[in-house]
Amino acid sequence: GDSVTQMEGPVTLSEEAFLTINCTYTATGYPSLFWYVQYPGEGLQLLLKATKADDKGSNKGFEATYRKETTSFHLEKGSVQVSDSAVYFCALSDITQGGSEKLVFGKGTKLTVNP
Amino acid sequence: NAGVTQTPKFQVLKTGQSMTLQCAQDMNHEYMSWYRQDPGMGLRLIHYSVGAGITDQGEVPNGYNVSRSTTEDFPLRLLSAAPSQTSVYFCASSFRPLGQGAGNTIYFGEGSWLTVV
Repeated sequence: GDSVTQMEGPVTLSEEAFLTINCTYTATGYPSLFWYVQYPGEGLQLLLKATKADDKGSNKGFEATYRKETTSFHLEKGSVQVSDSAVYFCALSDITQGGSEKLVFGKGTKLTVNP
Repeated sequence: NAGVTQTPKFQVLKTGQSMTLQCAQDMNHEYMSWYRQDPGMGLRLIHYSVGAGITDQGEVPNGYNVSRSTTEDFPLRLLSAAPSQTSVYFCASSFRPLGQGAGNTIYFGEGSWLTVV
């Protein structure tokens, strides 16, 4: 079945450092790809998404490009802040047997940014 | 903007007790689902519903029941809680997609932290 693999954490960076969190996927069709963020004690929030090959999703300084040739959707940010400390989940959308959409999640990567 | 509302946020149960996690959305979404989040496991789909009166099992359905009597509500029931059900539970909703790759955005509730002792 479809799956998402993202780099294991935890990742610890200093403020203003460059961030990359790798995400690759396996899918039979043409999924949409997502990054979700979970801040401490809170639920998941959609960070960005891309719906087709070569699309770039961006939000709050984060970017990710849908690369069909490498089946990847790596998350990047040029200069991280302490407030970016959170758990980041890569996900793809899949169609269930019933014809509805569901998300397949990676296991999450915990990011800690130190001042 | 209420979005997806889950209650309770925190709950402690004794083994064998029953309880219901409530989920409501005010976006007229047809599709609703329940996930559980466990350390190192990401989120796993428990049950989902494609509309009122229709539910189906996800990846980890055992020990949970759901019903969908209205479009707005999708409660998750634990009939006899077990320590293995200690987890964080998330309800989610979205519009029914028109087709694969539609990029349908799924909205999550804030989570319910459940501990079974």
